[in-house]
Amino acid sequence: ETGVTQSPTHLIKTRGQQVTLRCSSQSGHNTVSWYQQALGQGPQFIFQYYREEENGRGNFPPRFSGLQFPNYSSELNVNALELDDSALYLCASRPSHGLNTGELFFGEGSRLTVL
Amino acid sequence: QKEVEQNSGPLSVPEGAIASLNCTYSDRVSQSFFWYRQYSGKSPELIMSIYSNGDKEDGRFTAQLNKASQYVSLLIRDSQPSDSATYLCAVFTGGGNKLTFGTGTQLKVEL
Repeated sequence: ETGVTQSPTHLIKTRGQQVTLRCSSQSGHNTVSWYQQALGQGPQFIFQYYREEENGRGNFPPRFSGLQFPNYSSELNVNALELDDSALYLCASRPSHGLNTGELFFGEGSRLTVL
Repeated sequence: QKEVEQNSGPLSVPEGAIASLNCTYSDRVSQSFFWYRQYSGKSPELIMSIYSNGDKEDGRFTAQLNKASQYVSLLIRDSQPSDSATYLCAVFTGGGNKLTFGTGTQLKVEL
């Protein structure tokens, strides 16, 4: 148990729809990042939030967007869903002193299926 | 060239043997290096971090880093069936605040 919780755990959407995934970070962790993990692949970095600001982004289109709230919880929003968006979406948090490290605490993920 | 490369496996070792997992990375300015373990259907779990050249030992795990060769490895001594999982190598490049993962190596420890 990492203390990072994600919801929903599973969901099914159709192409073109929009989805919002949620994450509550571990207590004391003010940095949250999101990763997409397709089947058989390693996690791919989507973006990171620190103190409610995006401070790092991977090679994902603008239809992937996020928010971080004052309590450090976070949302990932994906618009205009495509079939290739089907994946496990992982939220990871880390403490402020770990800002520049890769020592992440992952939630159990949200598995998205796009039909 | 992929940023972080691993052999996808599966790597099969008998119980009690040493499992050796390897990883290469392309970005010479990479600062820190990590091994995550991922059981099937679960999320990644950090097992080792290494920041400077040489070896770092933690229990049955030893991480090795050679920045000149851009090579990271993980040794698991006295392998147990519970070590059967996918091992993900990850490299942190501070400029982008991102952790880049390899595709993972599947390890199977056989009785």
